[in-house]
Amino acid sequence: GDSVTQMEGPVTLSEEACLTINCTYTATGYPSLFWYVQYPGEGLQLLLKATKADDKGSNKGFEATYRKETTSFHLEKGSVQVSDSAVYFCALPTDSWGKFQFGAGTQVVVTP
Amino acid sequence: NAGVMQNPRHLVRRRGQEARLRCSPMKGHSHVYWYRQLPEEGLKFMVYLQKENIIDESGMPKERFSAEFPKEGPSILRIQQVVRGDSAAYFCASSPRGPGNTGELFFGEGSRLTVL
Repeated sequence: GDSVTQMEGPVTLSEEACLTINCTYTATGYPSLFWYVQYPGEGLQLLLKATKADDKGSNKGFEATYRKETTSFHLEKGSVQVSDSAVYFCALPTDSWGKFQFGAGTQVVVTP
Repeated sequence: NAGVMQNPRHLVRRRGQEARLRCSPMKGHSHVYWYRQLPEEGLKFMVYLQKENIIDESGMPKERFSAEFPKEGPSILRIQQVVRGDSAAYFCASSPRGPGNTGELFFGEGSRLTVL
């Protein structure tokens, strides 16, 4: 079945460092791809998405490009802030009803 | 513009008791999803409901768990005779459409169940 695999955490970085979180997927067809973020004690919120191959999603300085050839959707940010400390989830819809498959989540800790 | 509202935020139950978790979707949303997040794991789909209908419950444990979304009132996830393994964060999400929806899910802040 459709699935996503993302790198394990925690990832600990200093402020202003570069962040990359790898995500690869297995899917029939070409679904939209999503990154969700979960700040401490909160629910998930959409960070960015891409709806077709070669699309780049971006938000809050984060970017991810939908790569069909490598079945990847890696999340990147050039300069992280302490406020970026959160858990990041890669996700894809697995049917037409809006049911999503989430990755295990990657915890990111940014230190001053 | 209220988002998805879940209550209680925290719930403590002893083994064998019942847990009821409530979810009010965003205004205008008629599709509700429940997900469970076990410690150190990602979110796992449990059930998808529309008003008065269960559309997909393929992620629900076969016993002790049930969900409903009545015509009036919030969606309720009910866990009977809780066990320690039910301790988790339960998230509700809503969306404005169902079939063909590959868009955003809007999540509540979750209900964290602890079973003693």
